[in-house]
Amino acid sequence: GENVEQHPSTLSVQEGDSAVIKCTYSDSASNYFPWYKQELGKRPQLIIDIRSNVGEKKDQRIAVTLNKTAKHFSLHITETQPEDSAVYFCAATDSGYSTLTFGKGTMLLVSP
Amino acid sequence: GAVVSQHPSWVICKSGTSVKIECRSLDFQATTMFWYRQFPKQSLMLMATSNEGSKATYEQGVEKDKFLINHASLTLSTLTVTSAHPEDSSFYICSARSGTRGYGYTFGSGTRLTVV
Repeated sequence: GENVEQHPSTLSVQEGDSAVIKCTYSDSASNYFPWYKQELGKRPQLIIDIRSNVGEKKDQRIAVTLNKTAKHFSLHITETQPEDSAVYFCAATDSGYSTLTFGKGTMLLVSP
Repeated sequence: GAVVSQHPSWVICKSGTSVKIECRSLDFQATTMFWYRQFPKQSLMLMATSNEGSKATYEQGVEKDKFLINHASLTLSTLTVTSAHPEDSSFYICSARSGTRGYGYTFGSGTRLTVV
């Protein structure tokens, strides 16, 4: 099955700095890679996603890049704000495009 | 669109009792729903995949007789934790594929289960 590795596990930045979270996946047939933001005790919220036919996608301060050859994808947050503080999860579909496999999460702390 | 309702949001039960958690897709039909478990400061771990009208598919290590899943309609899946023990205390979240906006995975709000 699919295996998703995520780094770093914790990330502390100053307000206004950029934050980068990286993930690798194992199943070359995976073709959908969403990123979720989860605040304490709440449901994961989709913040951005990318499909394997695209190398990069951007939505305001958030961007995701995908390198299919290397099987890794990254989340980039620019001009970070304290409200960006949360746990971020990357995920990938399996080859049957049914279940999502999650990374272990990155706790992002943005200090004012 | 693509809203998933989950309840209860939290429940406290005594050891040995059973607890039922409901997951409903409000504005779409969900042929497949997923049940996850999340321990504090950990990731979401898939427990089982629930398909409408058929038996659920459980992940390795998940006891199907302890975590009963029923997906009797296209809008409702239930997870029953039977004979609950303190180690079953966790955050349980359901998810459904809406089929819209690409792969459309939508999460329920989660259920915090505490077994005392």
